[in-house]
Amino acid sequence: QLVLTQSPSASASLGASVKLTCTLSSGHSSYAIAWHQQQPEKGPRYLMKLNSDGSHNKGDGIPDRFSGSSSGAERYLTISSLQSEDEADYYCQTWGTGIVVFGGGTKLTVL
Amino acid sequence: QVQLVQSGSELKKPGASVKVSCKASGYTFTSYAMSWVRQAPGQGLEWMGWINTNTGNPTYAQGFTGRFVFSLDTSVSTAYLQISSLKAGDTAVYYCARPTSGDLDYWGQGTLVTVSS
Repeated sequence: QLVLTQSPSASASLGASVKLTCTLSSGHSSYAIAWHQQQPEKGPRYLMKLNSDGSHNKGDGIPDRFSGSSSGAERYLTISSLQSEDEADYYCQTWGTGIVVFGGGTKLTVL
Repeated sequence: QVQLVQSGSELKKPGASVKVSCKASGYTFTSYAMSWVRQAPGQGLEWMGWINTNTGNPTYAQGFTGRFVFSLDTSVSTAYLQISSLKAGDTAVYYCARPTSGDLDYWGQGTLVTVSS
């Protein structure tokens, strides 16, 4: 079964970097994922598509501070030079034949 | 630029129906499918399914069969989500989103549907 696992919460200081993790279920380590950001009281915003080899394609207007990387079944989103507006929920999303799956989301707090 | 613009908030009584629209612009509507995503209050994102904008053939995720119907009007580049026999548990924000190779790369702004007597 295709499942994505995310930690419920993370925190980091203003100006620092943070690395969020999304883990693919067993047998699905070759799958690409997408990262989405949802700021408070707003709709989701597409950040990037992240492939198993770590290559990624970012959405329109996504700053260079956002980057992705991969290792095995893990997919990472790194945000550098954290700003207050980065405080948001971050969801990973993947897809298979006829199915789309979301992770549970990580709530990022910027201290 | 690509835009998905959804209809406004709805307040419905239990047992009623609602139809949410999602108007696409900035790309060829029939070149991409359209997905629907639900977000219940305080909860995460839940994929409801998608509709093939060429054939009109819908695919519904588990838990979204029976009362949920996806439809299209390709003449106005618009996708629709209709929910019948509304229950309190249907209270949520509903999003349309465009899948490219599977990743949902553009989202509508969301439509809040509130079901309350």
